[in-house]
Amino acid sequence: GAGVSQSPRYKVAKRGQDVALRCDPISGHVSLFWYQQALGQGPEFLTYFQNEAQLDKSGLPSDRFFAERPEGSVSTLKIQRTQQEDSAVYLCASSTAGTGGLGAFFGQGTRLTVV
Amino acid sequence: DAKTTQPTSMDCAEGRAANLPCNHSTISGNEYVYWYRQIHSQGPQYIIHGLKNNETNEMASLIITEDRKSSTLILPHATLRDTAVYYCIARRSAISGAGSYQLTFGKGTKLSVIP
Repeated sequence: GAGVSQSPRYKVAKRGQDVALRCDPISGHVSLFWYQQALGQGPEFLTYFQNEAQLDKSGLPSDRFFAERPEGSVSTLKIQRTQQEDSAVYLCASSTAGTGGLGAFFGQGTRLTVV
Repeated sequence: DAKTTQPTSMDCAEGRAANLPCNHSTISGNEYVYWYRQIHSQGPQYIIHGLKNNETNEMASLIITEDRKSSTLILPHATLRDTAVYYCIARRSAISGAGSYQLTFGKGTKLSVIP
């Protein structure tokens, strides 16, 4: 497909387990973003990549959260030692170079439930 | 980015125009007004944006007051598929340095289109 693809769509993790969430951006999109959306809230920014460079990780809530985009395409958001407060939908978005978040295309998200 | 204020929820009859207001009284001269919507279980979707002139596209119209302190998103003929949370965001152009690329979502307006 031509859109942003995220996998898995749903993930249930036991507290303390590590998880990895994958994002396949639209081909050719330079900018990639991760957002976290708690139930009933709007998405909140986590981190931003331009190609393989992580230019902003100010939104990552703790050092248990780590994101990478080694080849400037696919990105992985990893959460170590998951906690119940990590339960949320994790959204990935991509956009073309020079537009930043403007007109960003979002994936459907990964719903993480920590039990 | 300037703070925006939106009603928590609104109803609209199917086939009628939906008018969604947004207040952004502290908006600065170089900040655009963006609208996104999020249908249940999907990622946010870009709708429209503007600086000071009214804008129209195939999805909606955006009316910005002359003092730019408020705006209205208009869906001219609402359908059941327009039921979603609508987010109004004020932000600078992406081409203006660090921090300008992320989107700051609030809680938005939950629009329910009633048959």
